[in-house]
Amino acid sequence: DGGITQSPKYLFRKEGQNVTLSCEQNLNHDAMYWYRQDPGQGLRLIYYSQIVNDFQKGDIAEGYSVSREKKESFPLTVTSAQKNPTAFYLCASSSGTANYGYTFGSGTRLTVV
Amino acid sequence: EDKVVQSPLSLVVHEGDTVTLNCSYEVTNFRSLLWYKQEKKAPTFLFMLTSSGIEKKSGRLSSILDKKELFSILNITATQTGDSAIYLCAVEGSGNTGKLIFGQGTTLQVKP
Repeated sequence: DGGITQSPKYLFRKEGQNVTLSCEQNLNHDAMYWYRQDPGQGLRLIYYSQIVNDFQKGDIAEGYSVSREKKESFPLTVTSAQKNPTAFYLCASSSGTANYGYTFGSGTRLTVV
Repeated sequence: EDKVVQSPLSLVVHEGDTVTLNCSYEVTNFRSLLWYKQEKKAPTFLFMLTSSGIEKKSGRLSSILDKKELFSILNITATQTGDSAIYLCAVEGSGNTGKLIFGQGTTLQVKP
């Protein structure tokens, strides 16, 4: 079955560490997105990519980095520069426009300990 | 700056009640408005609206868009405990990037 897979589901990070969240899709979608969700704040866009080897910053890109070396994969690295990384992270993909909505992964909950 | 605002932020009702969730937006070159339901983790798609005044329905849920007044409503009739979730409104604006701007979400709790 086609879908989008995020891993791990839960992640704990010590302060000062970089961590990488995985996002893989087999839907043959061109576009992929990373959102952060905090309580009461909805989803905020971190980075997005419309095509392999190209990506753009979203509204809250500081302290994060991404790569898009393969169409299927769009990993997100949360760096030590992100001062408040504890949140729920959602990855999504689409065919290039939102016309048919996004397909979302099940999310990764990151906690700084 | 593009903005999507949902109201109320939270709502508690009893089974059988009817609820109306609101979404207003200020977005450059509006393309579409989407509603999602988020129960535990991944949001699931409910509706996409592009034209004013055309109601979309799916069972007990319905939604309509007003492009003149820049808002949409999501109605849920005869609510059930399974309707308890966060309801997210999102708008696609200009640039053909496909990126969505989300509102804060409305948390709905339906009590038995």
